[in-house]
Amino acid sequence: DQQVKQNSPSLSVQEGRISILNCDYTNSMFDYFLWYKKYPAEGPTFLISISSIKDKNEDGRFTVFLNKSAKHLSLHIVPSQPGDSAVYFCAARRSGNTPLVFGKGTRLSVIA
Amino acid sequence: KAGVTQTPRYLIKTRGQQVTLSCSPISGHRSVSWYQQTPGQGLQFLFEYFSETQRNKGNFPGRFSGRQFSNSRSEMNVSTLELGDSALYLCASSVGAANNEQFFGPGTRLTVL
Repeated sequence: DQQVKQNSPSLSVQEGRISILNCDYTNSMFDYFLWYKKYPAEGPTFLISISSIKDKNEDGRFTVFLNKSAKHLSLHIVPSQPGDSAVYFCAARRSGNTPLVFGKGTRLSVIA
Repeated sequence: KAGVTQTPRYLIKTRGQQVTLSCSPISGHRSVSWYQQTPGQGLQFLFEYFSETQRNKGNFPGRFSGRQFSNSRSEMNVSTLELGDSALYLCASSVGAANNEQFFGPGTRLTVL
C-alpha cells in the first residue's frame, strides 16, 4: 500500500516556463511534507518542506502548495532552468519518531 | 562540515554471497537511516538507528540487518544475496529524529549477478 504517490513518472518542460510536480498521499496522519531533488550518481538533497498548518511555502523559485482536504501537494518551479533537470521525490511524515515515507519520484527534464 | 559518506560506492556480488555497506554520518548527527532505491520503486525505508539502537524498521526480510557504532557510524549487511537486491543503497543522517531533515550520502550501487 503506497501512502505517498507521484503519479507522473516524468515531466518535460521548456526553459523559463513553470514546472508543476504533483504528489498525493493517503495517510491523514501525515503532518509534514518534504521535497527532495536527486541528480544521477548523487544522493537526494532537501529542497523545500511544508507543515500541515500551512497551505503554501515559498523559497526563491520553489513553492510548495498543500491541499489537506484533497491530500494533495504540489511543487512549482518558476522559472524552470536546465539545472533543475533531476528526479524529484515527495516525502511525508507523521509526528513522533516515525520514518519518512517517499514517493517513487518524478523525473523532470527542462529543455533549453 | 563533511557530508555523509558511504563506502564502497560500487559493489558487484554473486547470488548467495553477503555484503556489508558502511555509512559515516555528518558529525554531530545521531540518527542514521538506510533506504533502498530501485527503478520504479522510489526510496524504500530499510531501518533507522539512533544512539546504537534500531528505532524503526521497514518491511524487508531478515536478510537485511544493520548496526550503529558509538561514533554514530553505521553498517548494513545483506546475507544470501538475491538478484532482486540489486539497487542503490542510500544512507541518510539527521540530528535527532529520522523524520527531521535528512542529509543523504551518494549511495552504494550494489549489483548482484
